Amino acid sequence: DGGITQSPKYLFRKEGQNVTLSCEQNLNHDAMYWYRQDPGQGLRLIYYSQIVNDFQKGDIAEGYSVSREKKESFPLTVTSAQKNPTAFYLCASSPVGGTGANSPLHFGNGTRLTVT
Amino acid sequence: SQQGEEDPQALSIQEGENATMNCSYKTSINNLQWYRQNSGRGLVHLILIRSNEREKHSGRLRVTLDTSKKSSSLLITASRAADTASYFCATASSGTYKYIFGTGTRLKVLA
Repeated sequence: DGGITQSPKYLFRKEGQNVTLSCEQNLNHDAMYWYRQDPGQGLRLIYYSQIVNDFQKGDIAEGYSVSREKKESFPLTVTSAQKNPTAFYLCASSPVGGTGANSPLHFGNGTRLTVT
Repeated sequence: SQQGEEDPQALSIQEGENATMNCSYKTSINNLQWYRQNSGRGLVHLILIRSNEREKHSGRLRVTLDTSKKSSSLLITASRAADTASYFCATASSGTYKYIFGTGTRLKVLA
């Protein structure tokens, strides 16, 4: 079955440590996205990538970093510079180009990060 | 900056009633999408309406789009307790894939 896998589901870290969240997709989608969701809030875009080896900052990129070395993988690192990292992180993907311009996003089930 | 804003923030209705939620956005768009999120889960795509469409139906869902007012509405007819969830709209400025989500409407359907 095609889909997006985020791991782990729950992640606990001490303040000051960097942590990397995994996102893998086997949908052959070119675009991938990372969103942050705080309790009772909407989704805010952290980073997105439309093609391998290229990515753009979203609205809240400070304190985060990403890489896109493979089409199917888009890991997110939450660095110690992120002031309030505890949140629910969602990864998504979509096709681009042609009919991809009007295609929905496919989401993973999220990783809940708690930093104490 | 959040491109989409939704209202109401929360909505509580009885089973069988209709639920309407609205979304406003700021720029020209290719399409507008509606998603559903159950608590603690990822988002599930419900319906996509293109910028040249005015209305679209899918089962009990009806979406309208008014590009002159930069707004959309989602109507869920004959609601069920299982429709209890948060609903979000998402848009990307024309020519981009930078999808921005609205603040969401939390719907509670009482049995």
